[in-house]
Amino acid sequence: NAGVTQTPKFQVLKTGQSMTLQCAQDMNHNSMYWYRQDPGMGLRLIYYSASEGTTDKGEVPNGYNVSRLNKREFSLRLESAAPSQTSVYFCASSQDRAQPQHFGDGTRLSIL
Amino acid sequence: LAKTTQPISMDSYEGQEVNITCSHNNIATNDYITWYQQFPSQGPRFIIQGYKTKVTNEVASLFIPADRKSSTLSLPRVSLSDTAVYYCLVGDMVNDMRFGAGTRLTVKP
Repeated sequence: NAGVTQTPKFQVLKTGQSMTLQCAQDMNHNSMYWYRQDPGMGLRLIYYSASEGTTDKGEVPNGYNVSRLNKREFSLRLESAAPSQTSVYFCASSQDRAQPQHFGDGTRLSIL
Repeated sequence: LAKTTQPISMDSYEGQEVNITCSHNNIATNDYITWYQQFPSQGPRFIIQGYKTKVTNEVASLFIPADRKSSTLSLPRVSLSDTAVYYCLVGDMVNDMRFGAGTRLTVKP
């Protein structure tokens, strides 16, 4: 029972490089989310997808793009990575926007 | 947006009951109160959610007074494995909810 799977678990990039973080859920959830967590802080919402075919900006969307590929998969892309985007990225899913979320174990991204 | 305030940290001992209080003075009528737990190097895990009065599950209880301006997460008989960060969120839709810095609970032997 995998739940929410994120790949890769770790990644180091150079400034200006591009990168796509992958997320897949096997719970048939409608809604999916991307967060970032900086050291000692809570999670901040980057983008979310309330349902297949829709995406919306969260609290900190600048520098990111997302794609809801199908009901299972929601990817996060950094087109031109910056050191300020060094963080741990979490993907989550829920049955709908008002329901509790299930989180993956995160992708630790360092940008040099 | 309903802002929440929690203690930054708390210490407890194994076997004790732990109560973590969250203040949310401007909670709206449609807002729910949700608590998550996060261990190091893991994503947050849902603990409990409530709207009013008391909610209990196999892990915790959530007490919400009539004015709903605060809530208390109660963890019975904590163990070392309950050492984690606990987040209180208030809102009716995910884009309204904010993860603050949370409460870092340390359970000592």
